[in-house]
Amino acid sequence: EAGVTQSPTHLIKTRGQQATLRCSPISGHTSVYWYQQALGLGLQFLLWYDEGEERNRGNFPPRFSGRQFPNYSSELNVNALELEDSALYLCASSLGNRGAGNEQFFGPGTRLTVL
Amino acid sequence: KNEVEQSPQNLTAQEGEFITINCSYSVGISALHWLQQHPGGGIVSLFMLSSGKKKHGRLIATINIQEKHSSLHITASHPRDSAVYICAVIRSQKLVFGQGTRLTINP
Repeated sequence: EAGVTQSPTHLIKTRGQQATLRCSPISGHTSVYWYQQALGLGLQFLLWYDEGEERNRGNFPPRFSGRQFPNYSSELNVNALELEDSALYLCASSLGNRGAGNEQFFGPGTRLTVL
Repeated sequence: KNEVEQSPQNLTAQEGEFITINCSYSVGISALHWLQQHPGGGIVSLFMLSSGKKKHGRLIATINIQEKHSSLHITASHPRDSAVYICAVIRSQKLVFGQGTRLTINP
């Protein structure tokens, strides 16, 4: 069974540009979570989508947004990129709609570098 | 003070040693995850537990909800166990992470 996949693996952008990151969950999983891991900082929760709806959001500005498609894959969009947005962005998926109460399976991450 | 505190932050041991990583949290939770992150960045979920103890191979996780404390133990440690171990608690339907413990096992 294929795991969670993310693309691209690496992404280099300049300040002010927009970045789009993609995530495909494990087949049968309806929930997708996005996390940010900035250099020297711990993991922080960004967004949770389930059944196409945004269910919860972390303490991030509105320029971080996303969506979930009917096939449960998801996009994370970061507008007006700032240098401090440089980080590893991890996606995870899980069954059902119990949020973090379900075991999450993580993808390999997208490393975003903002120059 | 962070909601989730791990100790130690860094741990170096010799192959074969028994390893303990601790996680304390300050808020009520419904469950707790232990995660493993290898140098490339990939994360693997090791355990999710809400009470008692779970064992998988050489890994054992315990939690005491009343004391707001969990431990991850590794028996007969091996260099391939070298990684960052992250504790995360479930609060308000989202994960709140500890800062991680960097474990290095020397042969």
